[in-house]
Amino acid sequence: EAQVTQNPRYLITVTGKKLTVTCSQNMNHEYMSWYRQDPGLGLRQIYYSMNVEVTDKGDVPEGYKVSRKEKRNFPLILESPSPNQTSLYFCASSFSGLINYGYTFGSGTRLTVV
Amino acid sequence: KQEVTQIPAALSVPEGENLVLNCSFTDSAIYNLQWFRQDPGKGLTSLLLIQSSQREQTSGRLNASLDKSSGRSTLYIAASQPGDSATYLCAGGASWGKLQFGAGTQVVVTP
Repeated sequence: EAQVTQNPRYLITVTGKKLTVTCSQNMNHEYMSWYRQDPGLGLRQIYYSMNVEVTDKGDVPEGYKVSRKEKRNFPLILESPSPNQTSLYFCASSFSGLINYGYTFGSGTRLTVV
Repeated sequence: KQEVTQIPAALSVPEGENLVLNCSFTDSAIYNLQWFRQDPGKGLTSLLLIQSSQREQTSGRLNASLDKSSGRSTLYIAASQPGDSATYLCAGGASWGKLQFGAGTQVVVTP
């Protein structure tokens, strides 16, 4: 089944403790992206990747890191999480970043930073 | 930067009524527009994708139109059912690699 898989689904952590949220897709998609969703603010793009070793900032990149060493994986790294990063995170992929193709989303990761 | 707005923010209708959800965008150089459905606490499910060269797309009871000149897209859901209750999001992109979402319309269909 074609899908985008995120792990973990739920995560509670403490301020300052480094964490990684994984994202993997099995569709050989070139484009991958991370979003956060907050009440009243909708989905906002954090980082995106057009292909292996090619990443760029979205609208809210502060406090996050990403890497794209393999085509199928696009992990989101929070080096020193803070409470304002408590949010619902989504990973998405698409055949091409030309945006003439639709996006497939993962099921989300609900992160709580205390 | 592309700005996407969805009106209304919330909508409640009795079962059987047709739903009309609106999405407006500021940059007419849009590549495509995609409508998603999100159930509470869940991920996004793609409903319809309209390419910039198209004016509408249909899937079952769903029909989405795109008018680039006026910066609008409309999602129609015919003969609504309680199972249609969800939040509906539109998203469009006018820059390479960037997709802008609206805040969504929360729909409740009452039996």
